[in-house]
Amino acid sequence: GDSVTQMEGPVTLSEEAFLTINCTYTATGYPSLFWYVQYPGEGLQLLLKATKADDKGSNKGFEATYRKETTSFHLEKGSVQVSDSAVYFCALTQGAQKLVFGQGTRLTINP
Amino acid sequence: DAGVTQSPTHLIKTRGQQVTLRCSPKSGHDTVSWYQQALGQGPQFIFQYYEEEERQRGNFPDRFSGHQFPNYSSELNVNALLLGDSALYLCASSFGLLETQYFGPGTRLLVL
Repeated sequence: GDSVTQMEGPVTLSEEAFLTINCTYTATGYPSLFWYVQYPGEGLQLLLKATKADDKGSNKGFEATYRKETTSFHLEKGSVQVSDSAVYFCALTQGAQKLVFGQGTRLTINP
Repeated sequence: DAGVTQSPTHLIKTRGQQVTLRCSPKSGHDTVSWYQQALGQGPQFIFQYYEEEERQRGNFPDRFSGHQFPNYSSELNVNALLLGDSALYLCASSFGLLETQYFGPGTRLLVL
């Protein structure tokens, strides 16, 4: 079945550092790809998405590019802030909308 | 514009009991999906409702059942609770079956 693998956390960075969280997927067909973010004690918020190969999703300084050749959707941000501390989930869906999530990556940004 | 709402926010039950969780979708949305998120894990798909019918189901036992009402709100029922049912239960809504899902804040269930 379809699956998503994320880099293991936790990830700890200093403010203004460059962030990369790796995400690779296994899927038959052509999935849509998502990054969701979960702040402490809250539900999931959609961060960005891409629906076809070579699409770049972006939001709040975060970016991810759908790479079909490497089946990847890595999340990047050029300069992180303390407020970016959260758990980040990579996910995919095909056609009928069941979201398949990775295990999540906990990110902590120190001032 | 109200987002997805869920009630209650927290719930404590004992083994063997039954529980009902509720979800109201984002305004304009007609599809509701439910997910279970165990501590430290990614959410797992339980089932999806559209036009008051269960359209898809994940790998969960029949103890998990649901309903969608004409106003698109939904309930998740879990019977014969087990300790392993302790989790954050997330509701997500979308417009139609092929659109992006938006999540509510979740209901945290603790089974003792």
